[in-house]
Amino acid sequence: QLQLQESGPGLVKPSETLSLTCSVSAGSISSNNLYWAWIRQPPGKALEWIGSIFFSGNTYYNPSLKSRLTISVDTSKNHFSLNLTSVTAADTAVYFCARVRGSIPVTPNWFDTWGQGTLVTVSS
Amino acid sequence: QSALTQPASVSGSPGQSITISCTGTSSDVGKYNFVSWYQKFPGKAPKLIIYEDIKRPSGVSDRFIGSKSGHTASLTIFGLQAEDETDYYCCSFAGIGTFVFGTGTKVTVL
Repeated sequence: QLQLQESGPGLVKPSETLSLTCSVSAGSISSNNLYWAWIRQPPGKALEWIGSIFFSGNTYYNPSLKSRLTISVDTSKNHFSLNLTSVTAADTAVYFCARVRGSIPVTPNWFDTWGQGTLVTVSS
Repeated sequence: QSALTQPASVSGSPGQSITISCTGTSSDVGKYNFVSWYQKFPGKAPKLIIYEDIKRPSGVSDRFIGSKSGHTASLTIFGLQAEDETDYYCCSFAGIGTFVFGTGTKVTVL
């Protein structure tokens, strides 16, 4: 069964870069009709879609984060990554990675498998 | 890209039915038949309970029913149970690779 696992520092200083990786196991990241996504949830707040990536490298970003965000994929390592620059306390959140699926031939449109999430705190 | 609007809280007694609304725009909920719903317990990953407006993944209770009319999607929970008490989020596809989540609804079982 497909599993996703987030990894990265749990504490990042303000103005620095938040970097996370999502490792995919028991399944290939290079499958057609799948996207891979990052979602976050600040403490006490709602889920927020951060961005998505196709295995070819095509990316789609939340407009509110686009200027600070890079999502990349490494098919040889079967993982994808998130880099968020110039972080502030507002970026403190639990970050989830997820697989995006769709009913073939419909475009991927739902998140069916999630990582357990990782808390990233922005603080000096 | 604004968050979809959900009621902050909905409550009901055991056995009753409740409905959570999710209001979007002509660019998301009203444009595509791609609304999904997630059940979220504290400290846990969200769980998919409805996709493509009305479809239910295998293993999800048939007490959860999705529907949509115009720019508003809805999740109805029939026969409310204590185990249903948690947060629920809708999410709409908004174009290839892009999504918008709802503001979230806390369901309380009285």
